[in-house]
Amino acid sequence: ETGVTQTPRHLVMGMTNKKSLKCEQHLGHNAMYWYKQSAKKPLELMFVYNFKEQTENNSVPSRFSPECPNSSHLFLHLHTLQPEDSALYLCASTAGADPETQYFGPGTRLLVL
Amino acid sequence: GENVEQHPSTLSVQEGDSAVIKCTYSDSASNYFPWYKQELGKGPQLIIDIRSNVGEKKDQRIAVTLNKTAKHFSLHITETQPEDSAVYFCAASSTGNQFYFGTGTSLTVIP
Repeated sequence: ETGVTQTPRHLVMGMTNKKSLKCEQHLGHNAMYWYKQSAKKPLELMFVYNFKEQTENNSVPSRFSPECPNSSHLFLHLHTLQPEDSALYLCASTAGADPETQYFGPGTRLLVL
Repeated sequence: GENVEQHPSTLSVQEGDSAVIKCTYSDSASNYFPWYKQELGKGPQLIIDIRSNVGEKKDQRIAVTLNKTAKHFSLHITETQPEDSAVYFCAASSTGNQFYFGTGTSLTVIP
């Protein structure tokens, strides 16, 4: 394993539900990322946190709300999602600001009904 | 911003043959180029990377070449094995916060 864990691994939710995705890294890294992976499309960067501070927000709809309480944990809070939000959500971490190796978690497969 | 294009989208090779996947990028400021392998049900895993001060890097059966002038880089897998079957992604970065990924290549190695 890469040292990055994600829970749950699978999630089915209705459009009116509220749920949260959790990511934890055990690598001592200080930057964490949320990506969305859809079929036939490049990985889409959603959010970046450096030392718990959000440094990137790539025009993500407000129905996705990130939270980074410390440098080891990252959450993605979901509410009133749309069917087109169904995808694999990947968390990653890196050690520093200079281009560094990203370590990915296994992802959460999300289905919005 | 950066634009990374990856080809081919699917690739089938006979076991033992070589596989080559190519990527181009648009931003001359990009200086770090990782390659990831993603198996079914798993997240992407780094297999090899190259920085812009190097033209080629090799790790056993895997090699990556970089042509900064032409803005393209390639992944070469020699003596392919069935366990090499997976989706491979290239990426480019200049800042460490933004990684731009290709659309992926689904590689099938036929025993």
